[in-house]
Amino acid sequence: DTGVSQDPRHKITKRGQNVTFRCDPISEHNRLYWYRQTLGQGPEFLTYFQNEAQLEKSRLLSDRFSAERPKGSFSTLEIQRTEQGDSAMYLCASSLAEQGGNQPQHFGDGTRLSIL
Amino acid sequence: EDQVTQSPEALRLQEGESSSLNCSYTVSGLRGLFWYRQDPGKGPEFLFTLYSAGEEKEKERLKATLTKKESFLHITAPKPEDSATYLCAVQPWRGAQKLVFGQGTRLTINP
Repeated sequence: DTGVSQDPRHKITKRGQNVTFRCDPISEHNRLYWYRQTLGQGPEFLTYFQNEAQLEKSRLLSDRFSAERPKGSFSTLEIQRTEQGDSAMYLCASSLAEQGGNQPQHFGDGTRLSIL
Repeated sequence: EDQVTQSPEALRLQEGESSSLNCSYTVSGLRGLFWYRQDPGKGPEFLFTLYSAGEEKEKERLKATLTKKESFLHITAPKPEDSATYLCAVQPWRGAQKLVFGQGTRLTINP
């Protein structure tokens, strides 16, 4: 069973640059989530897709952040004009929507972003 | 506002010394409560889902319980490989599918 895959694992960039992360969910999962985690804290929700539709966005997701999930498969998260405060681990998770069910979210190992 | 608080922030035990981790929550309506384990540099690994007060789930040396205001993760006779950060999260009925996480408990088991 292939888990959630994220690429790259690490990204170091200068302040003001744009970065893009990719997430490949578990193949049969139709729901995909992005979270952000800073040191010593739990993950914070950013956004959520069901198939290709982006159904919810957190207040944390400023205009510099954009996420897509073309064709309901992999997803990308882009951050434009990066700032020091964007340094964090960006986690992707996926789950299977079932009628009447509440399937757990399964996480990838994240992309660690460092802003110089 | 939905909120999760975990205690203690850090816990150091000797191998074989049983203990419990606490997760207190306030939520508008609880769809589910989740426990995850996270190793350094890795993503959270799913352990349990609890849905209603009185429910219990077990896996090896771990047992999770749920009341209307809190959940406990009991660790029986832990081993060094149980060392990790344990995260608790709630999924509210309101707010689609997002999880609201606590800050985690960092558990260290000394041999």
